[in-house]
Amino acid sequence: EAGVAQSPRYKIIEKRQSVAFWCNPISGHATLYWYQQILGQGPKLLIQFQNNGVVDDSQLPKDRFSAERLKGVDSTLKIQPAKLEDSAVYLCASSLVSWGHAGEQYFGPGTRLTVT
Amino acid sequence: AQKVTQAQTEISVVEKEDVTLDCVYETRDTTYYLFWYKQPPSGELVFLIRRNSFDEQNEISGRYSWNFQKSTSSFNFTITASQVVDSAVYFCALSDDAGGTSYGKLTFGQGTILTVHP
Repeated sequence: EAGVAQSPRYKIIEKRQSVAFWCNPISGHATLYWYQQILGQGPKLLIQFQNNGVVDDSQLPKDRFSAERLKGVDSTLKIQPAKLEDSAVYLCASSLVSWGHAGEQYFGPGTRLTVT
Repeated sequence: AQKVTQAQTEISVVEKEDVTLDCVYETRDTTYYLFWYKQPPSGELVFLIRRNSFDEQNEISGRYSWNFQKSTSSFNFTITASQVVDSAVYFCALSDDAGGTSYGKLTFGQGTILTVHP
């Protein structure tokens, strides 16, 4: 079974530029998550989709970050414009989740973003 | 609000030593799930275990074992006879019961860096 795919693996941009990350979850996983992991910290949830609907985006900086999951499969996370503090690893995860049952999340390899 | 605390920032051991990674959590939910993930130098988070709040039985999987104690809100992880390949960052995480408006959102601890020396 193929795992969670992410691209690109690395990205270096200058502040105020824009960047986009792509994620393809495990086939059949309805729930998709984007996490931000700053060096030395645990991952922090940015946004969570159930199929193509947003379940939780309370920690997403909506003035600069946006995400979509068209057709309930793959997803794109965008940052525009980027700030220095956005330098982090962006992790995508997917899960089989049903009401009242939190399944384990499977993570992709992540995209390491450096903003200079 | 949910919170996970991993008080040990870094642990260093010599191969074949046993090591325990501590995890303390806070939640107001009566039903919740606890997880451990491993993050090797490659960066990908690897799922190790999930326990629900109603199952306090300890679990053993090879050299790994987990001790869940609701009375102290702890979910500790022990590696027996550690090996160099165990070197990684280990994260404890907590999620709700995926009911209501939240579908199993994970709250992670800060992680414990484990280094196993040959």
